[in-house]
Amino acid sequence: DTGVSQNPRHKITKRGQNVTFRCDPISEHNRLYWYRQTLGQGPEFLTYFQNEAQLEKSRLLSDRFSAERPKGSFSTLEIQRTEQGDSAMYLCASSTLGGWTGTEAFFGQGTRLTVV
Amino acid sequence: AQSVAQPEDQVNVAEGNPLTVKCTYSVSGNPYLFWYVQYPNRGLQFLLKYITGDNLVKGSYGFEAEFNKSQTSFHLKKPSALVSDSALYFCAWGGATNKLIFGTGTLLAVQP
Repeated sequence: DTGVSQNPRHKITKRGQNVTFRCDPISEHNRLYWYRQTLGQGPEFLTYFQNEAQLEKSRLLSDRFSAERPKGSFSTLEIQRTEQGDSAMYLCASSTLGGWTGTEAFFGQGTRLTVV
Repeated sequence: AQSVAQPEDQVNVAEGNPLTVKCTYSVSGNPYLFWYVQYPNRGLQFLLKYITGDNLVKGSYGFEAEFNKSQTSFHLKKPSALVSDSALYFCAWGGATNKLIFGTGTLLAVQP
């Protein structure tokens, strides 16, 4: 399968613990995005990378959140000192450099985080 | 601010009937518009997009969407619904960086 891969698929953690998620994009895709989706809502943009550079971060991305894409391939999203409000589905997507052509993004199956 | 609205939380349609899932947008600049579908326990799947050109866009699984600039709408349509089309549908706007702004989603329920 050459699609976007996310691990783990599910994560249950205690409040205050740190968690890290991994996303492996489609190999030739330069852009990688993280979104968060809560029940009954559409996905909300968190951040995106072009190659290894993090070019934009949403105000939703508090100081407890950090994302990296060290070699321009896979990416990690870490949440420190988790809170119950962090419970959500975290989606990763990747795309080619579409620029003004509006290239579609391809999504992984997501990591469902539950903070107890 | 850019926004996309899906006015219906749920759409019910009988199998074999035509379906429409509504989307309106409020954006500055080019209206790059997308439809994605989400099945339970699966990721978002791309259905179709409007970038420029013909207002009627054809996509996957027999879906199509009509871009209407005067009504700022991008409704998703299918001539004959299938039970397997039942899923959550999202309209989205994508800017130059391909960052997507999603609507709240519409649950499509197709009854046999």
